[in-house]
Amino acid sequence: AQKITQTQPGMFVQEKEAVTLDCTYDTSDPSYGLFWYKQPSSGEMIFLIYQGSYDQQNATEGRYSLNFQKARKSANLVISASQLGDSAMYFCAMRETFNTGNQFYFGTGTSLTVIP
Amino acid sequence: EAQVTQNPRYLITVTGKKLTVTCSQNMNHEYMSWYRQDPGLGLRQIYYSMNVEVTDKGDVPEGYKVSRKEKRNFPLILESPSPNQTSLYFCASSPRAQNTGELFFGEGSRLTVL
Repeated sequence: AQKITQTQPGMFVQEKEAVTLDCTYDTSDPSYGLFWYKQPSSGEMIFLIYQGSYDQQNATEGRYSLNFQKARKSANLVISASQLGDSAMYFCAMRETFNTGNQFYFGTGTSLTVIP
Repeated sequence: EAQVTQNPRYLITVTGKKLTVTCSQNMNHEYMSWYRQDPGLGLRQIYYSMNVEVTDKGDVPEGYKVSRKEKRNFPLILESPSPNQTSLYFCASSPRAQNTGELFFGEGSRLTVL
């Protein structure tokens, strides 16, 4: 079974609108971390936001927020007020820290295009 | 400047010619790992290391070797490269093992095996 599932290969959003990128995960570890990374066309991996499995509140970082629903095993990224510079590939990732000794798993990514 | 440095950034080689991609971090991180990125498959973990002399296989270790003799360095070795190892490779580090800290990535190494 896939550890991280991103079901949206491509998304379009109008500039200044909000957009939600979906991510579901699968783990039996009691302790894990969830991450989102941005990969612009230049290729580097940029860390956006982190959510720990024991965190009670949803993480926020500026225009980014992570909608964490533990029972549903989902960790959707919400980008508010989209900007042209948000056009990029977005990866959801999970770090298991208990059973599997610190492995990271990445989804297949969502390509976001912001339309002027 | 805190960074993860990979070399070479770009390489074209031929089948069977051994090559090493170096990775060095200057942040005193315990955890280091290698990934390959292929279209439609996202990033897949090749090997990881939780500290010096401690390495373990990720999801796609076949055809690769690693070593961790010093904390700062984690080279990826392709003993006999094949065309299916053509990919974009990332090295990454994280402050501590057994911790939910994020990965800090190098800039990537694009490898083509002919």
